[in-house]
Amino acid sequence: ETGVTQSPTHLIKTRGQQVTLRCSSQSGHNTVSWYQQALGQGPQFIFQYYREEENGRGNFPPRFSGLQFPNYSSELNVNALELDDSALYLCASSGTGTRGYNEQFFGPGTRLTVL
Amino acid sequence: AQTVTQSQPEMSVQEAETVTLSCTYDTSENNYYLFWYKQPPSRQMILVIRQEAYKQQNATENRFSVNFQKAAKSFSLKISDSQLGDTAMYFCACTTSGTYKYIFGTGTRLKVLA
Repeated sequence: ETGVTQSPTHLIKTRGQQVTLRCSSQSGHNTVSWYQQALGQGPQFIFQYYREEENGRGNFPPRFSGLQFPNYSSELNVNALELDDSALYLCASSGTGTRGYNEQFFGPGTRLTVL
Repeated sequence: AQTVTQSQPEMSVQEAETVTLSCTYDTSENNYYLFWYKQPPSRQMILVIRQEAYKQQNATENRFSVNFQKAAKSFSLKISDSQLGDTAMYFCACTTSGTYKYIFGTGTRLKVLA
């Protein structure tokens, strides 16, 4: 069973640029959630995708957008990068909830630095 | 809205000793779930232990156990026989039944000393 993978590991961009982060979900999982973890903070929920459709969104501006593909992998796109977007971006995948919640399995994250 | 609070930014413990990490939460929901995650320097978030709010019995996983006080909305993690590999950030998190997101606390950095 393959775990959650993310690419790239590290990324450096400049203000105003656009970035795409990628996530491959764990085998058999149809749901992907994205979190932003600023330095010294806990992860903050950005949005979730379920079967290729957005299934909930946190308090992030529209320049944060995403996609989920038929194989359930996902992309996070951020336009017009700002310095405060510098963070670790975590992807978490989950399957159909059988416990009343979706247990999430996290990837290793992508460290984005905006200069 | 749900909130999760971890009031201990940093803690240290001697190897083989016991340490307790604190977490309080607030939710208006009846069906919710609580978690402790470990994030080592490798950055991978690893589930340590989970607790279903409807269960009165405290969850236990080997050296890890929780003290779940539902009325007080408290969910502390006890690590027994601490090991050097336990050194990491520990996050408390909450989610509600049928919801789509986890709410995390700000974390406690635990250092296990040899």
